Amino acid sequence: GAVVSQHPSRVICKSGTSVKIECRSLDFQATTMFWYRQFPKQSLMLMATSNEGSKATYEQGVEKDKFLINHASLTLSTLTVTSAHPEDSSFYICSASTGRLNTEAFFGQGTRLTVV
Amino acid sequence: ELKVEQNPLFLSMQEGKNYTIYCNYSTTSDRLYWYRQDPGKSLESLFVLLSNGAVKQEGRLMASLDTKARLSTLHITAAVHDLSATYFCAVGINTDKLIFGTGTRLQVFP
Repeated sequence: GAVVSQHPSRVICKSGTSVKIECRSLDFQATTMFWYRQFPKQSLMLMATSNEGSKATYEQGVEKDKFLINHASLTLSTLTVTSAHPEDSSFYICSASTGRLNTEAFFGQGTRLTVV
Repeated sequence: ELKVEQNPLFLSMQEGKNYTIYCNYSTTSDRLYWYRQDPGKSLESLFVLLSNGAVKQEGRLMASLDTKARLSTLHITAAVHDLSATYFCAVGINTDKLIFGTGTRLQVFP
């Protein structure tokens, strides 16, 4: 299957700082990328959908000013957690898709964010 | 609001036994995915089910989809310890947006 690379895999940051997470599709062009958040022992919650060259679509309850998403190219989307707080500590996972109907989305390795 | 519910949420089973995990969803969809997640890791794709009546098998796992009943099952045959993980179903909506189920944490013991 296709490869999606997420970086970093683990990050610790101080409260009030910002942290950027990258999601790259390595061997295909991803017209659509998704960002998920997962708290311990819980399911994945879709945060936002990003399409190359346009603004991201955020799910209800997700603060767009706090979670900045940029999908600047067909192989790269970034999630920036701004002014991070301890409650933002979570496992963030991206997935990438070609956007064609009935195709599978491929998942990155995930990023464990800890805000101290 | 779309709901995707899995049953059971937690399953402890003995090696060699069989069991079925159920995934019910509340909206029309003909795309259903099953994933495995090990602790601290991302998702591993297990099955992609794209039509009513689809059945797929890989090793000791078999998945099926009934779009009319809005139900998918993941059947485990003769469980082994290596199958211990959390299993998620996910329903496809729109082009490729996924809504995940609640997850089933499976523990297989000797």
